[in-house]
Parts: sequence; structure tokens; C-alpha cells
Amino acid sequence: ETGVTQSPTHLIKTRGQQVTLRCSSQSGHNTVSWYQQALGQGPQFIFQYYREEENGRGNFPPRFSGLQFPNYSSELNVNALELDDSALYLCASSLWGGSPLHFGNGTRLTVT
Amino acid sequence: GQQVMQIPQYQHVQEGEDFTTYCNSSTTLSNIQWYKQRPGGHPVFLIQLVKSGEVKKQKRLTFQFGEAKKNSSLHITATQTTDVGTYFCAGNNAGGTSYGKLTFGQGTILTVHP
Repeated sequence: ETGVTQSPTHLIKTRGQQVTLRCSSQSGHNTVSWYQQALGQGPQFIFQYYREEENGRGNFPPRFSGLQFPNYSSELNVNALELDDSALYLCASSLWGGSPLHFGNGTRLTVT
Repeated sequence: GQQVMQIPQYQHVQEGEDFTTYCNSSTTLSNIQWYKQRPGGHPVFLIQLVKSGEVKKQKRLTFQFGEAKKNSSLHITATQTTDVGTYFCAGNNAGGTSYGKLTFGQGTILTVHP
């Protein structure tokens, strides 16, 4: 059973730039969620995708967008990066919307 | 919006002592999940509670879901150094439109002194 994989592991960007983070879900899981975890905080829900459609969104601005592909892998795109976007971005797959999450190792994004 | 609060924020114990973390939601939950995150790692699912008043045990860990489905607790008996990490509760909002949204508490950081 292949777990959730994320790439890249670390990324450094400049304010105003755009970034794309990638996630491959665990085999058999068709739901992918993205979370932002600031240092010392709990993960905050960005959005969830189910069968290539957005299935819920947290309190994040439209410059945070996502995609899910037919193979259930997913991308998180962030435009016009701000310093406060520096965080660990976690992707999690699950069997369905409310079932337990299986997290990847995350992408550590630093915005300077 | 829904808020999930956890206390305490930090807990330092001697190995062998017990540990408890408490979780309170501002709204009724459809279910609550608990996760553990080791330093430098990612959250790992521990358990899900669904029924009012439910109690589940995993070896030295005991999880409870309140009768009103708004609070929960995790109790660890006789802590070991392997229990070190941050414990998060995460609530799924009953009746919400965003069925997949989990709201995480800020976590309780547990350190265990040998």
C-alpha cells in the first residue's frame, strides 16, 4: 500500500511569486484535503477535493486554489505569495469526506 | 465559525506518570478524531469517536466523547518516552455544509522526562 507523497519537501519563494505543491494520494483513496500548519499551531483546513470537484473550503482567500486529477492526485496553487504564507502544507487523503485522514510528510514553504 | 480548543497547551511529565488532554468544541460535532504528531513529523491518525458518551481504549490510551458531543478527552496511563509529541483533536461539524472539513485544536505538546 503506497502512502501519501508530497513534493517538494522544502521550498523557498519570494513575496509576490506563485507556487505549486503536489500530492499523490494513498491507493484506494478518492478524497484529498489540504491543510496549512503554521509553527506551533494545529493544521487549518484549506479545501477538500472529491472526484475532481471541490468539496468544501476553509477561510482562505481565492489566491489559494487547487486541482484534483482523474488518478486522485492533487495540486495546491498559491498566487501572490505573502510572508504569512510561510508554513507547512499538508496533504491528506481519505476514503471519503469525513473518514480519517492519512497525511503526507508535508511541504515546508518559506516566503521571504 | 466552529472553534476547537484544547488544554493544556503544554504538559511535562515524568516517565510513568499519567497524562490527560481535553478538547472542547463551540458546536456539536458529528464525530471527533485524534491525531499524534511527532517533532518534525506529520499528524498520524489515532482514533475516531462517533457516538455520544463513547469510550475507546488503545493499550494505555483512553479516549472519551462527551454526552453532548461537544467535548472529548485523551488519557494516557503510565507515560513512556515514546509518547512524546503533540496530540491534536479534530472535530467534524454536525450539520455543516462542508462535510469534509476537520477543525483541529491547537494541540497539547507532551514531553516525557525519563
